[in-house]
Amino acid sequence: SSVLTQPPSVSVAPGQTARISCGGNNVGSRSVHWYQQKPRQAPVLVVYDDSDRPSGIPERFSGSNSGNTATLTISRVEAGDEADYYCQLWDSSSDYVFGTGTKVTVL
Amino acid sequence: EVQLVESGGGLVQPGESLRLSCAASGFIFSNSWMHWVRQAPGKGLVWVSRINNDGSSTAYADSVKGRFTISRDNAKNTLYLQINSLRAEDTSVYYCVRGGGFSYTFFDFWGQGTLVTVPS
Repeated sequence: SSVLTQPPSVSVAPGQTARISCGGNNVGSRSVHWYQQKPRQAPVLVVYDDSDRPSGIPERFSGSNSGNTATLTISRVEAGDEADYYCQLWDSSSDYVFGTGTKVTVL
Repeated sequence: EVQLVESGGGLVQPGESLRLSCAASGFIFSNSWMHWVRQAPGKGLVWVSRINNDGSSTAYADSVKGRFTISRDNAKNTLYLQINSLRAEDTSVYYCVRGGGFSYTFFDFWGQGTLVTVPS
C-alpha cells in the first residue's frame, strides 16, 4: 500500500517561497493532489492532477511531480497561507491515500 | 454554489450505532461520486468510504470494513454513513466530500464536517 511522507513543518517569511514535499514510492507515476486546511475549517483543494489549479485558487500555488517526490510550491507567501497542507493520491491497491500533512508557518 | 451539509454527529457510547447524513445542493448529485473522509482531533485526513453515482458500487478503508455502510438517496440529494459498533478510535470529524475529475481520483468540494465522539 502507498505511504506518502511530508515534512511535519515548513517555515517561511512573507514574500518568500514555500516548498512542501510529498514522498512515496514512484509517486511520479500517479496523479497527486493537494489540499489546504486552515484551523477549524474544512480542507480546500488547491492543486489537482499534479499541477492544475481549481477556479479561484491563486497562481501563486503550483505543483510538480516526478520520480519519488511531488512538490507543492507557494510563491510570494502571504500570512493567509498559514495552514496545514496535505497531498493525496489514488492507488489501485490502497484506494485514496493522504500524506502525513505539513504545517506551514509564516514568520 | 456547491453545498454539502453534514448532520447526525454527537456523543455516543462504545458499541452504539449512528447514522450520518449529508445534504447536497448546487450540483447534479446523481452524477457525482461521493466520499466520507474523517479526521481525528489533532490528526491528519483519512479516507473512509466512497460510493459511485448510482450507488451500485462502494468501497471502504480496511479499518472500517464490516462496521460502516455508505449509501445514498439520489431523489433526496442525500449521502449517508451508517456506523455500527462504535469505538473510541472512531472519534473524528466526518467530512462529506464530492469526488472530482473524470476518474474521481480527488476531492473537489468538502462539507464543514460533523463531529462524532466516542469516549474510551
